Amino acid sequence: NAGVTQTPKFQVLKTGQSMTLQCAQDMNHNSMYWYRQDPGMGLRLIYYSASEGTTDKGEVPNGYNVSRLNKREFSLRLESAAPSQTSVYFCASGRDSHLYGYTFGSGTRLTVV
Amino acid sequence: KQEVTQIPAALSVPEGENLVLNCSFTDSAIYNLQWFRQDPGKGLTSLLLIQSSQREQTSGRLNASLDKSSGRSTLYIAASQPGDSATYLCAVRIMNSGGYQKVTFGTGTKLQVIP
Repeated sequence: NAGVTQTPKFQVLKTGQSMTLQCAQDMNHNSMYWYRQDPGMGLRLIYYSASEGTTDKGEVPNGYNVSRLNKREFSLRLESAAPSQTSVYFCASGRDSHLYGYTFGSGTRLTVV
Repeated sequence: KQEVTQIPAALSVPEGENLVLNCSFTDSAIYNLQWFRQDPGKGLTSLLLIQSSQREQTSGRLNASLDKSSGRSTLYIAASQPGDSATYLCAVRIMNSGGYQKVTFGTGTKLQVIP
């Protein structure tokens, strides 16, 4: 099925460990996004990529890095995980035109202990 | 700064009831508004997308309206069913100063439909 695929679905890290969250879409979308979702705070944008080879910071970029590997893939890296990064992470993709909405992946539930 | 508010935060209704979920936003210069459904532990599923030039969109038992001038959207669910139980999120898309089309989400309304 066409859509946005995220891996892993669940992860537990110790403080200071690093990891990369993977995201891939097969809809030929130019734009891709990483959000985090926390109780009572809604979804907040971490980073986005308007096209292959470009990335920009969103609302809460500190502690994260991203790579737009190609048009399909957009990864999010935590270099030194902190308990404050415990959250559910969602990847999304969309066309450039505002005539279309976003498509979301199923999320990665990350716990940092 | 665009702020999106959804009230109430939680809603419980008996099966079969018609209901309305509310979404309000502070900046009316939007491109579109999208309603999503999120089931526990799952991702977001798009329900309806309304362009700024449109007044409403319909899909099955769902009808979403948009009043851009007043900064409001409603999601109407007819003849609610237990399977409609989920959290409903609205999101507005605007152009920010950097030329990027930014999307701001509300915090959602958690709906429970009681059999």
